[in-house]
Amino acid sequence: EAQVTQNPRYLITVTGKKLTVTCSQNMNHEYMSWYRQDPGLGLRQIYYSMNVEVTDKGDVPEGYKVSRKEKRNFPLILESPSPNQTSLYFCASRFAGTPGLSGANVLTFGAGSRLTVL
Amino acid sequence: AQKITQTQPGMFVQEKEAVTLDCTYDTSDQSYGLFWYKQPSSGEMIFLIYQGSYDEQNATEGRYSLNFQKARKSANLVISASQLGDSAMYFCAMREGRAGGTSYGKLTFGQGTILTVHP
Repeated sequence: EAQVTQNPRYLITVTGKKLTVTCSQNMNHEYMSWYRQDPGLGLRQIYYSMNVEVTDKGDVPEGYKVSRKEKRNFPLILESPSPNQTSLYFCASRFAGTPGLSGANVLTFGAGSRLTVL
Repeated sequence: AQKITQTQPGMFVQEKEAVTLDCTYDTSDQSYGLFWYKQPSSGEMIFLIYQGSYDEQNATEGRYSLNFQKARKSANLVISASQLGDSAMYFCAMREGRAGGTSYGKLTFGQGTILTVHP
């Protein structure tokens, strides 16, 4: 089954304790991205990657790191989490090239990771 | 300025009736794409419909249609014959630029509209 898999799905941690949220896709997508969802703010893009070893900042990159060493994986790293990073996180992927007949190159989302930082 | 604005925090509709969810956008790009996603209470993000800026016809997917008014920069989602299962959060999103361009990787979401369908 074509999917984006995130782990962990739920995590409670404490301020300053480094953590990594993994993201893996099995669709050979070039593009991968991380979002956070907060009430009243919708989804905001943290980082994205157009291909292996190519990453770029989204709208809210502060406090986060990413790496793209393999095409299928795009982990999100919180080096020193703080309470304002408590949020619902989504990883997503799609093809990166010129849209085909559908014109969309639609994002496929993971199930989400709910992170609480105390 | 907000790139994507959804002005309706919540909407109510009677089952079997149609409902329109508003979305306005702001871009100076000529090439862009507009998306609508549904997020039920279970939390997953479900793609509904897409409209490209150069598409001459309004997009339709089953009971979903996108009322695209380019000059007004609006991309409203119309759900016909609402069902109880349509109760969810709905997000409008925009991707700017052409494939290969520096902005092509960015996707901006609106704040969302919570739709409640009453029996």
